[in-house]
Amino acid sequence: GNSVTQMEGPVTLSEEAFLTINCTYTATGYPSLFWYVQYPGEGLQLLLKATKADDKGSNKGFEATYRKETTSFHLEKGSVQVSDSAVYFCALRDGETSGSRLTFGEGTQLTVNP
Amino acid sequence: DAGVIQSPRHEVTEMGQEVTLRCKPISGHDYLFWYRQTMMRGLELLIYFNNNVPIDDSGMPEDRFSAKMPNASFSTLKIQPSEPRDSAVYFCASTPNSGLGNIQYFGAGTRLSVL
Repeated sequence: GNSVTQMEGPVTLSEEAFLTINCTYTATGYPSLFWYVQYPGEGLQLLLKATKADDKGSNKGFEATYRKETTSFHLEKGSVQVSDSAVYFCALRDGETSGSRLTFGEGTQLTVNP
Repeated sequence: DAGVIQSPRHEVTEMGQEVTLRCKPISGHDYLFWYRQTMMRGLELLIYFNNNVPIDDSGMPEDRFSAKMPNASFSTLKIQPSEPRDSAVYFCASTPNSGLGNIQYFGAGTRLSVL
């Protein structure tokens, strides 16, 4: 079946540090890949997505590239801010086997200190 | 559009009581999902609907949980009787159709505490 594995958290960084959150996946088809972010007390919201191999999703300074050869979709940001503190979820949708449902990773808590 | 609307935002109840959580999806969205989030188990899909019909309820933990979608603009998740281990944040999400790149839009969640 489908699965998503994220790097273990929590992650604590200083402001303006470089961020990488690793995400690898297993899927039987050709999935779309997503990063969602959850700010304290709120629901998840889409951060970025990529629908085919070699696509790069980007938003708010965050980037992730769909790497089919390594089955990865690592999230990066060159300079984090305190306001980036949140939980980040990697997810996939494999339309061939799972319809519209998303498979989520465990989530990675990011704390950015001033 | 106001987004996915859930109510109540917070619910505190005693063990054994019935709890009903409510969700209004984004207008025009064909799919509705109910999730549960806990520290121990992360984000779990409980059930999802397509055009008001339940498609997959394999994530519903036990018979105490039930979900309905009587029309395209309203869904409920009911727990009867509630237990302390049901304490969690429950999210509702909706998406337009089954397109592979479609985004799920989440509500703000209902934080349930069962004492």
